[in-house]
Amino acid sequence: GENVEQHPSTLSVQEGDSAVIKCTYSDSASNYFPWYKQELGKGPQLIIDIRSNVGEKKDQRIAVTLNKTAKHFSLHITETQPEDSAVYFCAASIMTTNAGKSTFGDGTTLTVKP
Amino acid sequence: SQTIHQWPATLVQPVGSPLSLECTVEGTSNPNLYWYRQAAGRGLQLLFYSVGIGQISSEVPQNLSASRPQDRQFILSSKKLLLSDSGFYLCAWRKYGYTFGSGTRLTVV
Repeated sequence: GENVEQHPSTLSVQEGDSAVIKCTYSDSASNYFPWYKQELGKGPQLIIDIRSNVGEKKDQRIAVTLNKTAKHFSLHITETQPEDSAVYFCAASIMTTNAGKSTFGDGTTLTVKP
Repeated sequence: SQTIHQWPATLVQPVGSPLSLECTVEGTSNPNLYWYRQAAGRGLQLLFYSVGIGQISSEVPQNLSASRPQDRQFILSSKKLLLSDSGFYLCAWRKYGYTFGSGTRLTVV
């Protein structure tokens, strides 16, 4: 089955700096890669996703890159703000099989210091 | 728009007691539904998923069961809770990415 590794497990940055979280996956058939943000006591929320036919996607201060050959993808947050502090999860899935189940990374706790 | 409701938000149950967590989805039909458990605030473990009424797939052997009696209703149950069942339980549906419910914090004492 799919295996997703996520690094780092914790990340602390100064407000205004950039933050990068990286994930690798094992199943070359995976074709959908979402990122979720989870605030304390809440369910994860989808913040951005990318499909395997795209190399990069950007939404305001958030961007995701995908390298299919190397089987890794990354989340980039620019101009970080204190409200970006949360746990971030990456995931990988094959959308057309097994109900599109996602395999999640273990999460990265991002702390943005004011 | 689609919404997902999950309740209760918190639950404290004694060991050996039964469990029933309910999840309902609005604004979509025939959704794929999922139950996840999150321990220690990290790591999402898939417990069950369902692609339709009465269709349940279990991902890990455990003390829990799931049922889907209606198209937009997904229930997580246990006949006798164990201490190890404590955790944060999340229901989700998906089109592409998941939409998660607000979660149930279960503490078994």
